[in-house]
Amino acid sequence: AQSVTQPDIHITVSEGASLELRCNYSYGATPYLFWYVQSPGQGLQLLLKYFSGDTLVQGIKGFEAEFKRSQSSFNLRKPSVHWSDAAEYFCAVGADGTGFQKLVFGTGTRLLVSP
Amino acid sequence: NAGVTQTPKFQVLKTGQSMTLQCAQDMNHNSMYWYRQDPGMGLRLIYYSASEGTTDKGEVPNGYNVSRLNKREFSLRLESAAPSQTSVYFCASSEGQYSPLHFGNGTRLTVT
Repeated sequence: AQSVTQPDIHITVSEGASLELRCNYSYGATPYLFWYVQSPGQGLQLLLKYFSGDTLVQGIKGFEAEFKRSQSSFNLRKPSVHWSDAAEYFCAVGADGTGFQKLVFGTGTRLLVSP
Repeated sequence: NAGVTQTPKFQVLKTGQSMTLQCAQDMNHNSMYWYRQDPGMGLRLIYYSASEGTTDKGEVPNGYNVSRLNKREFSLRLESAAPSQTSVYFCASSEGQYSPLHFGNGTRLTVT
C-alpha cells in the first residue's frame, strides 16, 4: 500500500528566507502527488498537484514542488517565505490502478515563521 | 459560493451518546469523503462515497456509519461515542477519483 513520510514535524524559517519541506512516498507505480496547506481552524487547501509531465510544478502562493522518481520525493519549496505562510503543510499520494483512488496523507509539517 | 459546509463546528458528547455529523457540497462533485485528523497522525480516511448511491470503508471505519443522502450530502454517524473518537473530522469532496479534494472547515468533537 502507498504511504507518505514527512520527516520534519516542525520547521522554523526566518521571514524572507527560502523554504523546503520534505516529502517521501512509497508506491511502485506512478503516483499522483499533492501538497495541501492548513491554516489554524481551517480545512485543507490545495497548493499544487503532480499527475504527469514536467516534474517541476507550480502552485498557488508562490510555491513549487519537484517530483524526483529516483528519490521517491516530492519536496515543496518557496524562495522567500512570508509571515502569512505559517501553517501546517501536508503531502498526499494517490495511487493509480488500485480501484477508486484514495489519498493517503503524511503526518504534516508545521511551519513557523520568525520575524 | 460555500464549497463544503460541515455542521456542527464543535460538539461535546458523553461516552455512549450518538450523533450525526452533516456535510453538504454545492460544487456538483461526484465523490465525497470523511477524514479524521489527530495530532501526529495526519488525516485518515474513515469512509468515502465514490458516487451517489455508493459508500465504502476507508482506513479507520470502526465505530462509524455513513449515508450518502443525495449527490450533495454525506453524513457521518457515531452510534455509541467513545473517547477514542475525540478528533477533528473533515468532510471533503472531489469531481472524481483523480481530482483534488475540497475540504470543509472541520468539526471538533470531544467525547468525555
